Amino acid sequence: SQTIHQWPATLVQPVGSPLSLECTVEGTSNPNLYWYRQAAGRGLQLLFYSVGIGQISSEVPQNLSASRPQDRQFILSSKKLLLSDSGFYLCAWSPTLNYGYTFGSGTRLTVV
Amino acid sequence: AQTVTQSQPEMSVQEAETVTLSCTYDTSENNYYLFWYKQPPSRQMILVIRQEAYKQQNATENRFSVNFQKAAKSFSLKISDSQLGDTAMYFCALNSGGYQKVTFGTGTKLQVIP
Repeated sequence: SQTIHQWPATLVQPVGSPLSLECTVEGTSNPNLYWYRQAAGRGLQLLFYSVGIGQISSEVPQNLSASRPQDRQFILSSKKLLLSDSGFYLCAWSPTLNYGYTFGSGTRLTVV
Repeated sequence: AQTVTQSQPEMSVQEAETVTLSCTYDTSENNYYLFWYKQPPSRQMILVIRQEAYKQQNATENRFSVNFQKAAKSFSLKISDSQLGDTAMYFCALNSGGYQKVTFGTGTKLQVIP
């Protein structure tokens, strides 16, 4: 069966520090991968998606970036965090969007 | 473009009763998929139910069912025999042909009252 792992679960980082969040999928190949951000009390904002290795599409221009170094690995990064980067980050995968997403357990990021 | 609107920010229901959450959407595509996701306080988002637009029959999953009105672009979720574990945020979502992403509504916070 397919599983998705996302870590860390919580993170507190100072302003200006770097960020690396990792997401991996097991039990499938060539998944579509997604990073979403959920601000407190709000909906989900798509940040990046990838349909293959090295293929990254950005939805929101900002100081975040994403990479897909391996087929089932998706990384969200920042060189310098801003206070506005605080939020709940969700990784998701899908074989095809007809089936919807399977989400990871999320990372709560607090930038202080 | 594809949009999803959930007009009920918060709702409450007595345990064992039925509640309906509303969702409207917009897309210019004929082929699309609609979803309801549940996000409990633990924050793990899970897929509750999906509907294929070309299927006229409303999808059901145990106590969860949808009322899909294609002409009205409406996709409501009915929860029967509400349980305390149904307390969560519920998100309506849409994927229409050609888009490599799912668009979410802003969510409805449902509280089941004992």
